[in-house]
Amino acid sequence: SYELTQPPSVSVSPGQTASITCSGNKLEDKYVCWYQQKAGQSPVMVIYQDKKRPSGIPERFSGSNSGNTATLTISGTQALDEADYYCQTWDSSVVFGGGTKLTVL
Amino acid sequence: QVQLQESGPGLVRPSQTLSLTCSVSGASISGDSYYWSWIRQHPGKGLEWIGYIYYSGSTYYKQSLKSRIIISLDTSKNQFSLNLSSVTAADTAVYYCARVGSGADVSFDYWGQGTLVTVSS
Repeated sequence: SYELTQPPSVSVSPGQTASITCSGNKLEDKYVCWYQQKAGQSPVMVIYQDKKRPSGIPERFSGSNSGNTATLTISGTQALDEADYYCQTWDSSVVFGGGTKLTVL
Repeated sequence: QVQLQESGPGLVRPSQTLSLTCSVSGASISGDSYYWSWIRQHPGKGLEWIGYIYYSGSTYYKQSLKSRIIISLDTSKNQFSLNLSSVTAADTAVYYCARVGSGADVSFDYWGQGTLVTVSS
């Protein structure tokens, strides 16, 4: 079965750029989306179709997908961006990455 | 604005059937071409897709759970449901209902608030 691999944790200083990766075999051939989940809340989609932002998602969130790696980039990271982030794709079924805990120090 | 709301028992006995309902407002589960899905999250863990149902009634289940799952539509109430049979403690999780958006990819654009189901005697 298809697998997506994310780093368990990423740390960033306020105002800096955070990059969260998601790796999978030939991932560039698939669409990737990203979800943000704050503590005790439901996930919220922040990126779909690799790089599109849903309405209401700040411009500091961006996505890319090349080769075997998709990347969620948060520019000018704010304290309120601290959350778990999950990548997701579809390969005969829905596949989620294991999640990355973003800490804003 | 599309809203989803899960409901059902918070406690289920082992070997019994877990039954949850998702009430949808702001969209028609039978009139619009969307997939309606169930996703769960074990305590402190990541997201696990369970399955989804198309507005036409076609279903798609996670292979490892397929023998225990039924997802169905109740168009008269604009709801869809999850039945998971023969539950064990490993089925203890927060269960979310969600909608697959209408884009070219399979991504979940609206989610319910989630409901915790504990399997215990």
